[in-house]
Amino acid sequence: AQRVTQPEKLLSVFKGAPVELKCNYSYSGSPELFWYVQYSRQRLQLLLRHISRESIKGFTADLNKGETSFHLKKPFAQEEDSAMYYCALSGSGGSNYKLTFGKGTLLTVNP
Amino acid sequence: NAGVTQTPKFRILKIGQSMTLQCAQDMNHNYMYWYRQDPGMGLKLIYYSVGAGITDKGEVPNGYNVSRSTTEDFPLRLELAAPSQTSVYFCASRPSGGGNIQYFGAGTRLSVL
Repeated sequence: AQRVTQPEKLLSVFKGAPVELKCNYSYSGSPELFWYVQYSRQRLQLLLRHISRESIKGFTADLNKGETSFHLKKPFAQEEDSAMYYCALSGSGGSNYKLTFGKGTLLTVNP
Repeated sequence: NAGVTQTPKFRILKIGQSMTLQCAQDMNHNYMYWYRQDPGMGLKLIYYSVGAGITDKGEVPNGYNVSRSTTEDFPLRLELAAPSQTSVYFCASRPSGGGNIQYFGAGTRLSVL
């Protein structure tokens, strides 16, 4: 079975502070990990995926297979980063068409 | 480019009523999905489809039905609405290749009273 855990429901930081949204997963094979973001009154959209190893809007995430983690980080948070963030996992082989989502972390960046 | 379009945006149902949530995509994606989003619970997969004529149950299919007669459309049917089905429903789609990047609709907010 595949599982995604986001331990923080709420995370509040001040503008300019570093931010880290935690994500841990459970999967026996080689997963594909994603971060999706939902801004207020907007649809869910992909922020980044571990395969591409990109930095999007200043955010990065590294897959740590030893710790089974895929934490999302940004060195200097901005007010426009306030949103709901979901970590998601896609399995390999026959289960690679389904996404399993964590429960989400609501990030608030205060001025 | 419309992407994934869901209708209606909002709906209030009485217990026992039925309705169909519409989802259409214009990206020629084979895979389509229905999720429900409950506060503090993330997204749960209701049903999915890997192509026209093929559907399968997800994590929480009870109380729902789907059909996929065309590549573009993937309607979700609630036959006997119950208060437990009050939620926000999201439709998503993805192409066959290129990894499991899903594209989401704007959602339908449903209240069953």
